[in-house]
Amino acid sequence: GIQVEQSPPDLILQEGANSTLRCNFSDSVNNLQWFHQNPWGQLINLFYIPSGTKQNGRLSATTVATERYSLLYISSSQTTDSGVYFCAVEGYGQNFVFGPGTRLSVLP
Amino acid sequence: KAGVTQTPRYLIKTRGQQVTLSCSPISGHRSVSWYQQTPGQGLQFLFEYFSETQRNKGNFPGRFSGRQFSNSRSEMNVSTLELGDSALYLCASSPSSGNTIYFGEGSWLTVV
Repeated sequence: GIQVEQSPPDLILQEGANSTLRCNFSDSVNNLQWFHQNPWGQLINLFYIPSGTKQNGRLSATTVATERYSLLYISSSQTTDSGVYFCAVEGYGQNFVFGPGTRLSVLP
Repeated sequence: KAGVTQTPRYLIKTRGQQVTLSCSPISGHRSVSWYQQTPGQGLQFLFEYFSETQRNKGNFPGRFSGRQFSNSRSEMNVSTLELGDSALYLCASSPSSGNTIYFGEGSWLTVV
């Protein structure tokens, strides 16, 4: 099945800093999503982005499907951005596979 | 539009017991999938249902089972609980494959 890697595994930032999270996947995908898991465990949908670039406020994402990677950009980070960020991919006719996540800590 | 609803949110069970978790998808969504999240194994796919049919199944023992009803609501059952089944169980819904999936708040299961 598809393998998903995320880097870095952990990231500590000062409030106001920018960051880039990376997701690599091993095969062609039908679907790619970025999620933020809050401290209570809920996975919040950030982007549905199997290809191309999208922006939503301080967050943006880019997926280069031909090179099998996606990037999540967080600008002017806030303490509320803390949590774990997951990339999940779905191959054609397959189930979703989640990466191991990037744990982000934003310090005041 | 109401989100994905999972019940119960928290539960404690004893080894050997069985448990049933429920998931009500977003209205109009016909696909429901279940995931198990543990600190050691991360987020792992359990199974997916679409229009009452199981479409995909993850690599879990037969003690884990599920079903979907005609109104798209889904249940998962774990029989003969083991300590290692303690986890956050997450349900997600989507209109169909290849679409955005939306998660519920999860059910925290502790097996003692």
